[in-house]
Amino acid sequence: AQKITQTQPGMFVQEKEAVTLDCTYDTSDQSYGLFWYKQPSSGEMIFLIYQGSYDEQNATEGRYSLNFQKARKSANLVISASQLGDSAMYFCAMRQVGYGGATNKLIFGTGTLLAVQP
Amino acid sequence: DVKVTQSSRYLVKRTGEKVFLECVQDMDHENMFWYRQDPGLGLRLIYFSYDVKMKEKGDIPEGYSVSREKKERFSLILESASTNQTSMYLCASSFSSATGELFFGEGSRLTVL
Repeated sequence: AQKITQTQPGMFVQEKEAVTLDCTYDTSDQSYGLFWYKQPSSGEMIFLIYQGSYDEQNATEGRYSLNFQKARKSANLVISASQLGDSAMYFCAMRQVGYGGATNKLIFGTGTLLAVQP
Repeated sequence: DVKVTQSSRYLVKRTGEKVFLECVQDMDHENMFWYRQDPGLGLRLIYFSYDVKMKEKGDIPEGYSVSREKKERFSLILESASTNQTSMYLCASSFSSATGELFFGEGSRLTVL
């Protein structure tokens, strides 16, 4: 069965430091996609970054990068130069491809609550 | 900008009531989803739909049903609300594209007393 595991329920980081949020996944599919979403206390889910299983380069979006290690089945999110506004819940997710590839369901991990300290 | 709108941010209902959660998206997305979010459990998929009048069960469909009569609207129905359905409900939509990125609504926090 496909699964996403986030083993860090919560983390602290000092402002301006880098932080890595862990994510491992389990799938037998050859084609899949990995996502990270941010959920601030207001509740909305904000898309951060995407990595396709066939992408050779690690994805980057501004201060966010995804450390994709396919053999280890890990897709860790790295946030550089943390800011107070980065305090939020972070979810790792994986795209499941249904029959015919039509549905693109995402399965989510349990999340990591990041607190950035001044 | 993609907009996914959920009809109610906060609802309080009594046990046994029928509850409707409405979701509308304005980007002509084929796929729509209902997730439930609980602390320590992350987001769990209740139902999804990849076309009008089509629906598929997710991981936790028991106690829920859905309706998709129009492409832009996807409704979640709790036929007889129970206290264990107290939760945050998130609607999302997506194109059937290569990435499958989900666009989420703001969520509906349901309390069943």
